[in-house]
Amino acid sequence: NAGVTQTPKFQVLKTGQSMTLQCAQDMNHEYMSWYRQDPGMGLRLIHYSVGAGITDQGEVPNGYNVSRSTTEDFPLRLLSAAPSQTSVYFCASSRGGPTNEKLFFGSGTQLSVL
Amino acid sequence: DQQVKQNSPSLSVQEGRISILNCDYTNSMFDYFLWYKKYPAEGPTFLISISSIKDKNEDGRFTVFLNKSAKHLSLHIVPSQPGDSAVYFCAASVPNFGNEKLTFGTGTRLTIIP
Repeated sequence: NAGVTQTPKFQVLKTGQSMTLQCAQDMNHEYMSWYRQDPGMGLRLIHYSVGAGITDQGEVPNGYNVSRSTTEDFPLRLLSAAPSQTSVYFCASSRGGPTNEKLFFGSGTQLSVL
Repeated sequence: DQQVKQNSPSLSVQEGRISILNCDYTNSMFDYFLWYKKYPAEGPTFLISISSIKDKNEDGRFTVFLNKSAKHLSLHIVPSQPGDSAVYFCAASVPNFGNEKLTFGTGTRLTIIP
C-alpha cells in the first residue's frame, strides 16, 4: 500500500525555471492538498482540492498552480521559480475534509532555487 | 499573522517523565484541533485530535487538553519514550462540510533524553 507518493525527492532549479512536483495517492481520497514547510513558519497551505475538477487557494498560493483532473493525482506547478520558493513541499490527502479525517502526508520534496 | 502559535521551538524531557507541549490560537472560529508528529525526512503523521465540545481527549499515552476561554491547547505525553523525539505540530480548522483548510503552528521539537 503506497499511500501518498511524491516525486522527485530532491530538486535544484535556477531562478526563472519552471517545474512540476508530482503527487499521487492510491487510497481513493477526495481531499488533497499541498503544504510548504519553512524554518520558523511551520506548515503553510498552498492549494487544496476537495475532488476531481475542484481546486482552491490556501494561505500562500502566489507563484503556484494546481489542477486535479483525476482523483489520484494533484500536481503542483511552479511557474517561474524564485529563491523564496526554496522549501520542503508536502502533499497530503484525506478521505474527506481534514477536520474529521486525518491527513496522510507524502515524504516531501526538498526544493532549492538558486 | 500567525493564527496558531507554538511558542516553544524546542523542549527536552527525561525518559519516563511527562512531556507537555503547548499551543495557542487567536481565531475564535476554530472549532477543531489536531496534533501531528513529524520525524526527520518523513511527512507528518496524525497523532490525536479534539473537538471544541470537549475539553480533554485521551489516546494511550497521549492526552490533549483544550481551554477555549484561554484559546489554549496542550499535548501531554506520559510516560515519555525515546521514540517520541520528533517535531510536533498543532493545527486548527473551522469545520466547513469537508471544504476546510488546516492552519498549522510552527512546531515544537521534542527531545527525550534517555
